[in-house]
Amino acid sequence: GQSLEQPSEVTAVEGAIVQINCTYQTSGFYGLSWYQQHDGGAPTFLSYNGLDGLEETGRFSSFLSRSDSYGYLLLQELQMKDSASYFCAVRDSGGYQKVTFGTGTKLQVIP
Amino acid sequence: DSGVTQTPKHLITATGQRVTLRCSPRSGDLSVYWYQQSLDQGLQFLIQYYNGEERAKGNILERFSAQQFPDLHSELNLSSLELGDSALYFCASSASGTGKGVGYEQYFGPGTRLTVT
Repeated sequence: GQSLEQPSEVTAVEGAIVQINCTYQTSGFYGLSWYQQHDGGAPTFLSYNGLDGLEETGRFSSFLSRSDSYGYLLLQELQMKDSASYFCAVRDSGGYQKVTFGTGTKLQVIP
Repeated sequence: DSGVTQTPKHLITATGQRVTLRCSPRSGDLSVYWYQQSLDQGLQFLIQYYNGEERAKGNILERFSAQQFPDLHSELNLSSLELGDSALYFCASSASGTGKGVGYEQYFGPGTRLTVT
């Protein structure tokens, strides 16, 4: 089976940097995706890591270490609008190819 | 706007009833995914279709079924509804193609909020 673990809540100050971790256990692995979801809204894609290393997209960066089954999402220059839930997700490379989302991390940005 | 549409936005029905949720993917996307999100919970993957065929299956109950039609829109059918089925149901689509990494970037519709009373 597959499981992904994330911290349930994180609080950070506006303008600061925050890191949201994701550890996974999968029977197969294609890569790690990150999604943002505001309350009452739909998830939106943020980034994807298929290979080890850092991917940067504006204020957001994502990192993957396949040997450690670990990844993180880094948010810089935090803004109030970044308050949302963040989910990591993996796709099984095995027969079922099911998609599994992490439990989600609720980020609260405070002034 | 992701380009994925879902209808209806809200649905209120009684236990034991059957409902159908509809999804139209982004133009050009052949893959459609269905997810269930209960209050303050994560996203539970239900099922994926690719160009009309079932491609992957998650923890979908036997009371639930889905299909993807030739015009690529998809429907999720929920029957013998129970109170616990109350949730937000999302549809997502992803770019065509097969192989590693396909579906890693999914575009989600606004969701259908189902309330079973």
